[in-house]
Parts: sequence; structure tokens; C-alpha cells
Amino acid sequence: GEDVEQSLFLSVREGDSSVINCTYTDSSSTYLYWYKQEPGAGLQLLTYIFSNMDMKQDQRLTVLLNKKDKHLSLRIADTQTGDSAIYFCAEHNAGGTSYGKLTFGQGTILTVHP
Amino acid sequence: SAVISQKPSRDICQRGTSLTIQCQVDSQVTMMFWYRQQPGQSLTLIATANQGSEATYESGFVIDKFPISRPNLTFSTLTVSNMSPEDSSIYLCSVEGGGRETQYFGPGTRLLVL
Repeated sequence: GEDVEQSLFLSVREGDSSVINCTYTDSSSTYLYWYKQEPGAGLQLLTYIFSNMDMKQDQRLTVLLNKKDKHLSLRIADTQTGDSAIYFCAEHNAGGTSYGKLTFGQGTILTVHP
Repeated sequence: SAVISQKPSRDICQRGTSLTIQCQVDSQVTMMFWYRQQPGQSLTLIATANQGSEATYESGFVIDKFPISRPNLTFSTLTVSNMSPEDSSIYLCSVEGGGRETQYFGPGTRLLVL
């Protein structure tokens, strides 16, 4: 079955870059996602990448995908205190009986110190 | 992106009772999804709801415990039946974006069962 894993905690200083890592097992994943969850809030879609791409940049966010190693990372440049949140990696399997299902990692708690 | 609202936003319930959660989308969507996020945990898909057909439940979730309605293309309900403290979670609905490669989430319903 599908499995997605992330490190649980990351602490950085304001202004530094943050890198959140994720590994997944399903080689048939079509899309991979990063969601952000702030305290008491729902999930905000930050960005996503198609499985045939290896990089996507969107303002301060850079997603790197190593499909061979099934490794996904999210880099946040110039991290701000407002970036403190839980970041979830998720993969999408568009085939078979799992159509549309997202499988989530356990989330990485990012803490940004002034 | 889709705008999704959920009611109630939070509730405190007694064990043995049932709660129906509503999900409203601002546009017509084919597929709607219900997820559960237990305290400190990641998200787990409960079921997929297509309009005009029975919901499809994931392993570990059954219709008697989590009946779902999908009367039209903009609305769905999830009922948590015969609740116990273990049902205390955040329940989130999500919908696919126009291109089907994205999923957007509602703000969630925070449920506490005493």
C-alpha cells in the first residue's frame, strides 16, 4: 500500500531557508502535494508537482522531486514567523480503485524563531 | 480554486449521540471526499462521495458508522453515528479542482465527544 513519511519537527531562524523532506513508496503516484495547516485552521494547498517534473518554483517555494529515490522536498526561502505551521506532504494515485485518494504524511511542524 | 464551507465549525457531543456535518461548495463538483484528522495525526480518507451513487468507503470505515449523503453537485453530509470519545477528531471535506489534479479542503469541523 501507499506510505508517505516526513520528519516531525523543523526549527529555523527567521530569514533562513527551510527545507522539509518527504519520502513516498507508491511508484504510480501522479501528483505530489504540499499543504499547510495553521493552528485551528483547515488545509491550504501550497503547491503541487506532476510526477514527470523534477522541480517547480513558485515565489518563495521550491519543490524538488527525485522520482528514482521517491523523495520530495519543499524549500521555503526567507522563512518568516508567519510560516510557522504544520506542513503535510501528500501523494495522489489516479488509478484503479484509489482514484482521487490523497495519502498524507504525518506532517512536519515548522517553528520559526525571531 | 473552490470555496468550501462546513457546518458546524466545532461541536461538543455526548457519547451515544450522532452529529451530521454539512459541506457546501461554491461550484458544481463531481467528487467530494471526507477525511478524518485525529488529534496530532495526519489525515485519513473516510469515503468518496459521487452524486447519484453510493459513497465508496475506505478500509476501516463503514456506512453504518459514517453514513454519507450527496443529494446534488454542490452539497454533501457526513454523519458520525453513535459517537464515542475515540471519534473526537477534525472532519474535513474536500473537492477536486477543475483540472482534477488538485484537491481543496474545507475549514474542518472540530468534534469533541465526552
